[in-house]
Amino acid sequence: QAVLTQPSSLSASPGASASLTCTLRSGINAGTYRIYWYQQKPGSPPQYLLNYKSDSDKQQGSGVPSRFSGSKDVSANAGIFLISGLRSEDEADYYCMVWHSSAVVFGGGTKLTVL
Amino acid sequence: QVQLQESGPGLVKPSETLSLTCTVSGASVSSHIYFWSWIRQPPGKGLEWIGYIYYSGTTNYNPSLKSRVTISADTSKNQFSLDLSSVTAADTAVYYCASNVVFAHLDSWGQGTLVTISS
Repeated sequence: QAVLTQPSSLSASPGASASLTCTLRSGINAGTYRIYWYQQKPGSPPQYLLNYKSDSDKQQGSGVPSRFSGSKDVSANAGIFLISGLRSEDEADYYCMVWHSSAVVFGGGTKLTVL
Repeated sequence: QVQLQESGPGLVKPSETLSLTCTVSGASVSSHIYFWSWIRQPPGKGLEWIGYIYYSGTTNYNPSLKSRVTISADTSKNQFSLDLSSVTAADTAVYYCASNVVFAHLDSWGQGTLVTISS
């Protein structure tokens, strides 16, 4: 079972909100991890957006709009990435990442379609 | 602002060794602040972390690739390198070099270089 699992795709309408999940493997407590989120558009490297560990311990990337935010669903053992006020330019692949046993682990990525 | 640029052959034959170099500007590979990483992305697929090197020479590799991977650094040239041995078509990917403050987010990325494994 993968360390991080993301849904492969998600669709949402312009102006709506989109919630992307990143579920940690059973036995790995999401509450103790800082979860990083990246956006990748075709032909470009990923861009760091933000990280979230708790409401009192989170950082927004430089220049990243406030309509992008992070949270956790502890009951689901998952990190959440929320985009509010969706725009066409938000259409991209989104990856979550954690440091696990001193190594980088990526989720499989979610392709967000804005239509 | 750290800047990184990958270089190396775009075509490698099966069973041979893939070798790439990342040239760093804006920071030193001798800095104790950063990890220097390689990440790859097969066409149409997700990101896979390959490993990193630290200024001390300490390395850490993805367990799934560990037996075939070597990451090294050349401080005189401010570069770090990736060697991946015994490649197959499954190793065809865009290879990125990246940097991060130790145990933080990957904040600087190269543009990536496509390496195709084919005879």
